[in-house]
Amino acid sequence: KAGVTQTPRYLIKTRGQQVTLSCSPISGHRSVSWYQQTPGQGLQFLFEYFSETQRNKGNFPGRFSGRQFSNSRSEMNVSTLELGDSALYLCASGRTSGAGETQYFGPGTRLLVL
Amino acid sequence: AQKITQTQPGMFVQEKEAVTLDCTYDTSDPSYGLFWYKQPSSGEMIFLIYQGSYDQQNATEGRYSLNFQKARKSANLVISASQLGDSAMYFCAMHGNNRKLIWGLGTSLAVNP
Repeated sequence: KAGVTQTPRYLIKTRGQQVTLSCSPISGHRSVSWYQQTPGQGLQFLFEYFSETQRNKGNFPGRFSGRQFSNSRSEMNVSTLELGDSALYLCASGRTSGAGETQYFGPGTRLLVL
Repeated sequence: AQKITQTQPGMFVQEKEAVTLDCTYDTSDPSYGLFWYKQPSSGEMIFLIYQGSYDQQNATEGRYSLNFQKARKSANLVISASQLGDSAMYFCAMHGNNRKLIWGLGTSLAVNP
């Protein structure tokens, strides 16, 4: 069974630009969550989607948005990029959206904002 | 508020020995889940083991076991017979009623030959 895939793996952007990251969950999984990982802040939850609906949201500004398609694939968009947005963005998928369910992660997208 | 604390920024262990990575948590949810993930330098987060708050027995998965002490709110990861490939960052995480995963800052484990 194929794992979670994320594209692109690496990205370099400049301040003020926008970026779209993509995540394809494990087949049969309907929940997709996004996390930002930085050396200073560690791993922080961005949002979770289940059956095309945002079920949960972290404490990030509105520049960070996402969506999920009917095939469970998800995209995350960051507009008006700032230097502090440089991070590893991880996507995770799960079968349901229940507490205690294991999330399986993709390899991440490394974003560098210059 | 939920919180995960990993007090060991870095750990060293000799190959083939056992090592314990500490994790304490704080939550007011009666039902929660505790996870350990491994993150090699490649960046991918690899699921290792899960413990539910109502599970009576400590979870085990191969060389990994979770020492769950509910009254002390600790969920330490024990890796037996360490291997060179175990060198990585290890993260403890918790999942409460709101389904968000809250993460510790991680422990960097180095296995020496």
